[in-house]
Amino acid sequence: DAKTTQPPSMDCAEGRAANLPCNHSTISGNEYVYWYRQIHSQGPQYIIHGLKNNETNEMASLIITEDRKSSTLILPHATLRDTAVYYCIANTGGFKTIFGAGTRLFVKA
Amino acid sequence: GAVVSQHPSRVICKSGTSVKIECRSLDFQATTMFWYRQFPKQSLMLMATSNEGSKATYEQGVEKDKFLINHASLTLSTLTVTSAHPEDSSFYICSALDEVNTEAFFGQGTRLTVV
Repeated sequence: DAKTTQPPSMDCAEGRAANLPCNHSTISGNEYVYWYRQIHSQGPQYIIHGLKNNETNEMASLIITEDRKSSTLILPHATLRDTAVYYCIANTGGFKTIFGAGTRLFVKA
Repeated sequence: GAVVSQHPSRVICKSGTSVKIECRSLDFQATTMFWYRQFPKQSLMLMATSNEGSKATYEQGVEKDKFLINHASLTLSTLTVTSAHPEDSSFYICSALDEVNTEAFFGQGTRLTVV
């Protein structure tokens, strides 16, 4: 799996968009970008994944740069319940998921 | 989305005893499941890959005789912590790989406390 780099923590005001960056400069052509989040004392929750096109679902949007070396997860209207650790992972979509340190997002009222 | 159920969610056991944790994929078949351990304020650490019908593959530094993994069916993998010690107290999480949709779904985790 390609190594990913994320800021250790971020703050966001409730109701605002939360933009979480991730660098994956060594990503290979067959590796997807996956995002998971973990709310305290729970298992990780899948959010979204993509290969090279931008993706959107009911939870978030994923913006992948054209060179695929970085991506941004966007939570369009953050709520207090979005406070969690967010993990960006690059892998081939069938192999074991290796977690880095992630970004601890604090959504503040 | 797909559901992976882990049982129990919490368990307290005495030192020296063994504890079994179950991981079930409820609406898809999983040839491959993964077991993780997470200590407080740390990320998930992959322990082993569980393969249906064959031996598990353990990550470096994980004792296979201490953490017994059995994946006897396409919907169930079990992790048994043998001769548990207080330092085994941790949050154990499983995931099941949905190969059709190339997604891994995670259980809700098991909080193990060894006293």
